[in-house]
Amino acid sequence: QVQLVQSGAEMKKPGASVKVSCKASGYTFTAFYIHWVRQAPGQGLEWLGWVNPNSGDSKSKQKFQGRVTMTTDTSINTVYLEVHSLTSDDTAVYFCARPTSGSYYIHWGQGTLVTVSS
Amino acid sequence: DIQMTQSPSSLSASVGDRVTITCRASQRISTFLNWYQQKPGQVPKLLIFDASKLYSGVPARFGGSGSGTEFTLTISSLQPEDFSTYYCQQSFSPLFTFGPGTKLEI
Repeated sequence: QVQLVQSGAEMKKPGASVKVSCKASGYTFTAFYIHWVRQAPGQGLEWLGWVNPNSGDSKSKQKFQGRVTMTTDTSINTVYLEVHSLTSDDTAVYFCARPTSGSYYIHWGQGTLVTVSS
Repeated sequence: DIQMTQSPSSLSASVGDRVTITCRASQRISTFLNWYQQKPGQVPKLLIFDASKLYSGVPARFGGSGSGTEFTLTISSLQPEDFSTYYCQQSFSPLFTFGPGTKLEI
């Protein structure tokens, strides 16, 4: 069955960077994009972007362009989200999600809490 | 980016009530609209895809409709487990977006 397993919680200081991983199993890794979604405490879902594990191409929401990097390592079926220049506003649970061919999400990682605090 | 709005932002209702949540897109998105339910501490769960298609295993009391820029999620008879937060999400654009959510409370 499809599984997405994310790395553990992180605590970072303002201005630092964080790298979250999402390891996929149970399907052909290069056949589906992986998307990233975050949720600040008590807030709604915010879509961040996607990475294509087959080509390495990625695209992010305009507000994150230049501050977010999404990469892939096909040798270990893992995608990464790196967020740079962290502020307290980046404190959130970060989810990876795999859309179906129909572009809706039924497979999610368990979430990674990133806390940004001095 | 396509902007999504939802109304109401919160809603109080009772078991057995019929409720409707509206989602609007800032531009036409055909029927590329999905609905999710999220409970605290859990990942979102898909309810409706392509505006009106009920995902496997989702109770038939959930229904979706709409196309273009206006969409609705209807719960025909609220059950205790339905008190949750609901999000719409567009997949028309390569840059997906979620609505801000509607919290359904008792």
